Amino acid sequence: GESVGLHLPTLSVQEGDNSIINCAYSNSASDYFIWYKQESGKGPQFIIDIRSNMDKRQGQRVTVLLNKTVKHLSLQIAATQPGDSAVYFCAENSRANQAGTALIFGKGTTLSVSS
Amino acid sequence: NAGVMQNPRHLVRRRGQEARLRCSPMKGHSHVYWYRQLPEEGLKFMVYLQKENIIDESGMPKERFSAEFPKEGPSILRIQQVVRGDSAAYFCASSPRRDDYGYTFGSGTRLTVV
Repeated sequence: GESVGLHLPTLSVQEGDNSIINCAYSNSASDYFIWYKQESGKGPQFIIDIRSNMDKRQGQRVTVLLNKTVKHLSLQIAATQPGDSAVYFCAENSRANQAGTALIFGKGTTLSVSS
Repeated sequence: NAGVMQNPRHLVRRRGQEARLRCSPMKGHSHVYWYRQLPEEGLKFMVYLQKENIIDESGMPKERFSAEFPKEGPSILRIQQVVRGDSAAYFCASSPRRDDYGYTFGSGTRLTVV
């Protein structure tokens, strides 16, 4: 079935290091991907997105890479800070029908940043 | 702009009771999505609604669960005869247009069934 998954459930880094969070997707028909950040007790917060006609997109301290050949998505966070500690989800669009669409989420990677 | 508002934040129900979760989308957003999140898991899509219409309910359990988004007022996710397995965080998201995937999520309702 269609699914979006992440390679590692947890990632621990030191403050100032670069973090890389990976995600593998299975639906080759998906054409839009998003990374969300979820802090404890809060709803998911949009970080960055990328369309399938791109292979890289940069934001402030974050970069998303898309490799359609191997159906792999990654989120790179530069100079990771304690405030980056959260659960990170990748999501892909899934066209359930012609009238609409919904995002399908992976299980998430918990990023822990130590000072 | 107050963002997506969900209430209540926490809801405790005894088995067999009904749970009603409310979601007011962002101003100008007419598309609403409900997701359920079990502990230590990702968000599972439940239902997508546009004003007065259910667009996609493929993620909704066939029984006991229903959703609506009336012309006036918030979207409601209703769970009848709750069971312990319904305990989860329920998140609502909204967007201004179909195929606008940059959803804005609310803070969720944490349902506990005792």
